Amino acid sequence: DTEVTQTPKHLVMGMTNKKSLKCEQHMGHRAMYWYKQKAKKPPELMFVYSYEKLSINESVPSRFSPECPNSSLLNLHLHALQPEDSALYLCASSPGDSHDQPQHFGDGTRLSIL
Amino acid sequence: DAKTTQPPSMDCAEGRAANLPCNHSTISGNEYVYWYRQIHSQGPQYIIHGLKNNETNEMASLIITEDRKSSTLILPHATLRDTAVYYCIVRPSEYGNKLVFGAGTILRVKS
Repeated sequence: DTEVTQTPKHLVMGMTNKKSLKCEQHMGHRAMYWYKQKAKKPPELMFVYSYEKLSINESVPSRFSPECPNSSLLNLHLHALQPEDSALYLCASSPGDSHDQPQHFGDGTRLSIL
Repeated sequence: DAKTTQPPSMDCAEGRAANLPCNHSTISGNEYVYWYRQIHSQGPQYIIHGLKNNETNEMASLIITEDRKSSTLILPHATLRDTAVYYCIVRPSEYGNKLVFGAGTILRVKS
C-alpha cells in the first residue's frame, strides 16, 4: 500500500472534456510532483511544487494545469487533451526538495483520451 | 545530469540473491545514487539510496564502488514478487528534486 493516494484510478474522457486528477498525502511532505508515463516507457517529470509554490514546469502544454491548494493536496486540471496524452499519471511527494530525500509515489491514474 | 547504464533484463532463481548492476561513470561527488522499482500496474517504489558508503535496509543492500563509478543493488533472497523494472538514478544536487528515470532493468524471478 502506498501513502500517496491518487484518484480516480482510471479515467476516460473526450477531447473536449474538462476533468481533474487528485493526489493526497498525509506524511507532512512539503514537495509534490506530477509525472507522466507512457506505455513501456519510464516516468517523465511534468511539474514540481515546493512548499506549495510551482518550482519546475518541464515545458508541459497549457492543457495541463497543476494546482496545489495546500501542502497535502495536488491537483492536475485537464482540458482539451489529445489522444497522445493517454498515459499513466503519477503523483509523488518528498519531505522537502533536497536531493537526499526520496520521493514516494502513488499508483497513478490511468488516463484514456477518446 | 550523470547518465546511468543498466542491462535491459536479467533473470534470477527464486530464493537466490539478485545482483543488479548500474554504471554511472560521470557521477559527481555530491550526487546520490537512488534505486526504485516498478511492479506492473503500480507506481515506482523507493528501495534505497546512497552517496559513498554501502547502505542496507529491510528491502535491499546498495554497494557503491570506491570510485563511485558503478553500484550494485542486491536483493538477498529474491521472490516472485520481486519481478519488476528496476531503475538506477543519479540525482544531482542542483535541481535536486528532479528524478530522471532511464530505461531500467527488467528483473524476472523464476521458480
